[in-house]
Amino acid sequence: GAGVSQSPRYKVTKRGQDVALRCDPISGHVSLYWYRQALGQGPEFLTYFNYEAQQDKSGLPNDRFSAERPEGSISTLTIQRTEQRDSAMYRCASTSETGTGELFFGEGSRLTVL
Amino acid sequence: QKEVEQNSGPLSVPEGAIASLNCTYSDRGSQSFFWYRQYSGKSPELIMSIYSNGDKEDGRFTAQLNKASQYVSLLIRDSQPSDSATYLCAVNEDSWGKFQFGAGTQVVVTP
Repeated sequence: GAGVSQSPRYKVTKRGQDVALRCDPISGHVSLYWYRQALGQGPEFLTYFNYEAQQDKSGLPNDRFSAERPEGSISTLTIQRTEQRDSAMYRCASTSETGTGELFFGEGSRLTVL
Repeated sequence: QKEVEQNSGPLSVPEGAIASLNCTYSDRGSQSFFWYRQYSGKSPELIMSIYSNGDKEDGRFTAQLNKASQYVSLLIRDSQPSDSATYLCAVNEDSWGKFQFGAGTQVVVTP
């Protein structure tokens, strides 16, 4: 596609359930980033990949959060045993260059944990 | 703790005036600096990038960088109501991957 595509756009789940958020970056983009954004706050870094390699996962809040990008394209962010505090907008971004390039953001996946 | 700090605002600016936004960062080794604009309910979009000390102008926008003071700013000249948005400062700390964002400054341009 022309832009970064995220799915689902909205997800409502019950506490304790697992959720998987998908990101399809712009074709050919090397780097893929996951951010979490609370209302009124800036994007909070979670993790990023260059190709299929996870370069930095220091922003993942705890071990319930994981991400993968097995073929260097589509990425999945998985949250296990969701908690209410996980409710947020999860944003994916990609860039064609490592480090200094422009981040292109998807529309985000809004997660609500009841 | 590596941080990017911005005044949260809101910054109220009369139409036609200059909006001045500030950002400080803690990691002296940071290499790349960006300003993103985010309209309410939308995703951030890049408006300016700057990599070396000094000023960089693009239309009505001017970014200023002072690495010694660890300070980056954005000026919006001839502010328009369409400039009303949240402006996010982003810093690339590692020179090769991780982008850290500030909390954003909300700008409201009043007719």
